[in-house]
Amino acid sequence: AQSVTQLDSHVSVSEGTPVLLRCNYSSSYSPSLFWYVQHPNKGLQLLLKYTSAATLVKGINGFEAEFKKSETSFHLTKPSAHMSDAAEYFCVVSPTGNQFYFGTGTSLTVIP
Amino acid sequence: GAGVSQSPSNKVTEKGKDVELRCDPISGHTALYWYRQSLGQGLEFLIYFQGNSAPDKSGLPSDRFSAERTGGSVSTLTIQRTQQEDSAVYLCASRLRGSGEQYFGPGTRLTVT
Repeated sequence: AQSVTQLDSHVSVSEGTPVLLRCNYSSSYSPSLFWYVQHPNKGLQLLLKYTSAATLVKGINGFEAEFKKSETSFHLTKPSAHMSDAAEYFCVVSPTGNQFYFGTGTSLTVIP
Repeated sequence: GAGVSQSPSNKVTEKGKDVELRCDPISGHTALYWYRQSLGQGLEFLIYFQGNSAPDKSGLPSDRFSAERTGGSVSTLTIQRTQQEDSAVYLCASRLRGSGEQYFGPGTRLTVT
């Protein structure tokens, strides 16, 4: 069975401090993994994806994620939060490349 | 180029009525997905079309929900005899075959009164 667990429903950070959004997955296959961002009243946008190449994946807007197979994790990080990073973030697993399983999302608040 | 478009952007309907939601995918994208996003929830998979293959309907919550995709392009999601629990944002996404990235439309916000 495939599933995604986003460990925090809400994360609050101060502007300029690091961001860590946690994601654990379970999959019967070697999955592809994604992070999507959803800004208020906007559509979902791909931040980054892991598809069995380098385990450290760089995305847009300074975000990174590291695939750790031993920990079945794919945590999203950013060294320094910006006000514009406030949004909902979704971790997604795709076991076969056809179906996509979304986590329940993490709401990121950035405090000025 | 044009992205995924959905119409209407908002729909208010009375309980028991039927509704149709439309999705225009990116031209050339062979895969098309429908998801439902309820308040404070993640995306719930509904149905997936890939080219001319039979759709994967495993996520449809009841037989009141159906979808079709005509000519491998435009898709319509139909909800019959709507219930209040159907209120949600319905998202459509398309994907190029062989690519993992889904491109999402802006969604249709459905409110059942």
